[in-house]
Amino acid sequence: AQSVAQPEDQVNVAEGNPLTVKCTYSVSGNPYLFWYVQYPNRGLQFLLKYITGDNLVKGSYGFEAEFNKSQTSFHLKKPSALVSDSALYFCAVRDNAGNNRKLIWGLGTSLAVNP
Amino acid sequence: NAGVTQTPKFRVLKTGQSMTLLCAQDMNHEYMYWYRQDPGMGLRLIHYSVGEGTTAKGEVPDGYNVSRLKKQNFLLGLESAAPSQTSVYFCASSRVLTVNTEAFFGQGTRLTVV
Repeated sequence: AQSVAQPEDQVNVAEGNPLTVKCTYSVSGNPYLFWYVQYPNRGLQFLLKYITGDNLVKGSYGFEAEFNKSQTSFHLKKPSALVSDSALYFCAVRDNAGNNRKLIWGLGTSLAVNP
Repeated sequence: NAGVTQTPKFRVLKTGQSMTLLCAQDMNHEYMYWYRQDPGMGLRLIHYSVGEGTTAKGEVPDGYNVSRLKKQNFLLGLESAAPSQTSVYFCASSRVLTVNTEAFFGQGTRLTVV
């Protein structure tokens, strides 16, 4: 069965430090992977996606994510965290096997960046 | 650009009342979705539509109905609201139709059923 896991409910980092938000997935075919961010009282915003090609994907607001096929992971990273990065982050995967156009969502990770 | 607009933003209903949530997108997207977001449960797909005049069930369709009479609008109806439907509802849309297209979300509707 297709699934996405975000093993950490919450991540705390100090401003200026690097941050990592973890995501692992399970799909039957090749995965299409996405990261979204949700700021308080707002809808989700697309950050970045992995389709094919380079394993390191760069996205909005200085975020990047590394696709690791052997570890079935797609961790979100940023070299230097900002207080304004504090938000809820969702990983999602779409399996390209078959005719499924629906996204499978992780439960989200709350990122708190402390000044 | 307006993107995806949801109305209303907040609503309180009494058990048994009905209401309709409206989602409108101005990006000419084919696909539209309704999700609910609950603490500890992430996003769950209620219904979706792959084009004007079409609808399909998602993970948690019971108690909801939808209609897509116009390409730009996707309506979510609650015929007889229950406290279990207290949630934040998000509408989203995406282009056809490759599996690698991202979705665009509205700002959400916070619904409380008392």
